[in-house]
Amino acid sequence: AAGVIQSPRHLIKEKRETATLKCYPIPRHDTVYWYQQGPGQDPQFLISFYEKMQSDKGSIPDRFSAQQFSDYHSELNMSSLELGDSALYFCASSTRQGREQYFGPGTRLTVT
Amino acid sequence: QKEVEQNSGPLSVPEGAIASLNCTYSDRGSQSFFWYRQYSGKSPELIMSIYSNGDKEDGRFTAQLNKASQYVSLLIRDSQPSDSATYLCAVNRDYGQNFVFGPGTRLSVLP
Repeated sequence: AAGVIQSPRHLIKEKRETATLKCYPIPRHDTVYWYQQGPGQDPQFLISFYEKMQSDKGSIPDRFSAQQFSDYHSELNMSSLELGDSALYFCASSTRQGREQYFGPGTRLTVT
Repeated sequence: QKEVEQNSGPLSVPEGAIASLNCTYSDRGSQSFFWYRQYSGKSPELIMSIYSNGDKEDGRFTAQLNKASQYVSLLIRDSQPSDSATYLCAVNRDYGQNFVFGPGTRLSVLP
């Protein structure tokens, strides 16, 4: 079965640079969620989208923005990167009527 | 206090034993409860979901939910070394809403 696709899988950036993470949900899933997981931490919700509209917002810094496109893929844009942004970034998808979320493999961002 | 709490671990059990993982939550409006398994550096993998009070069994896994006590648990029977991972409890209020995760319990199954 098709799963959530994330790219890139690994990304190394310097402080103050920008990064763009991409997420392609499972086919026919219309809702996308972004989570950030720091070392030894549980995943923290950042933001979600349904039908290209922002659905909910969590602890996402103002330096980050995201959007969902007409094909339901989503991009997380991160600017003015800080050392503390180094983490695993997961995208998950679901149907609006479904309760279960399925996670992608994640993007490991390292800020140096 | 976190919204979702889990026993801190690490939890060590011998191969073939039953592993018992516990989770409590503070939001009485929570409707859906999930257990995810996460290997180090990998993404969370859905193991079980439960929405109604009682037990739900799937193979070696049994989830138990008690909404009155705001408690959900996961039992793993016949534990295998491959079950060694961090188990995350996740909770949400409604369809399409984000999850709140617990801190996770690290399980180690000893051969």
